[in-house]
Amino acid sequence: DQQVKQNSPSLSVQEGRISILNCDYTNSMFDYFLWYKKYPAEGPTFLISISSIKDKNEDGRFTVFLNKSAKHLSLHIVPSQPGDSAVYFCVSGAGSYQLTFGKGTKLSVIP
Amino acid sequence: GAGVSQSPRYKVAKRGQDVALRCDPISGHVSLFWYQQALGQGPEFLTYFQNEAQLDKSGLPSDRFFAERPEGSVSTLKIQRTQQEDSAVYLCASSLAGTSRGNEQFFGPGTRLTVL
Repeated sequence: DQQVKQNSPSLSVQEGRISILNCDYTNSMFDYFLWYKKYPAEGPTFLISISSIKDKNEDGRFTVFLNKSAKHLSLHIVPSQPGDSAVYFCVSGAGSYQLTFGKGTKLSVIP
Repeated sequence: GAGVSQSPRYKVAKRGQDVALRCDPISGHVSLFWYQQALGQGPEFLTYFQNEAQLDKSGLPSDRFFAERPEGSVSTLKIQRTQQEDSAVYLCASSLAGTSRGNEQFFGPGTRLTVL
């Protein structure tokens, strides 16, 4: 039973355009959300997070939006760059440390 | 400074063999986590240490899996009598604080285990 769902296994975007990665969750107990980015042969690295009391968090080119009523969050990358090509994991947390990962979306930014 | 390191990076085992996977967390990090990532899946939580204490082992899939962190630094994940379904990438992560909600976890590159 997948509690964090990333329904798009892959996404291709032209350089300079917006990338939008989507994520749905089912567990109402999740109270914070993160996005991790992973390059091949490396471990995931933290990108951006949002608390459940907010609906938006922005960090440079990256913005995460949270719609609690819909149990949906999204990551926007503007403008997309070739170096953004990676697998992006949507991650949800409840309590103090347990993280639940989605399956990931592979983003390809085409020069 | 150095990040989280794991060794070996790749391990091939025959079914039934025991394996030991090592994790060196970032110096001074209190919390240490092990995750299992099967092919095409996201990482799944296995166990959590705060210093040398194993506070949560709810994600360990069977009693063949055992983890330790005896001096609160390096950790070893041991899998006894490996099975083909144990084939996965095993990720280690550490974080600075204790149970701080949302505290960033720093991941190592993982050990890819293949059981033949």
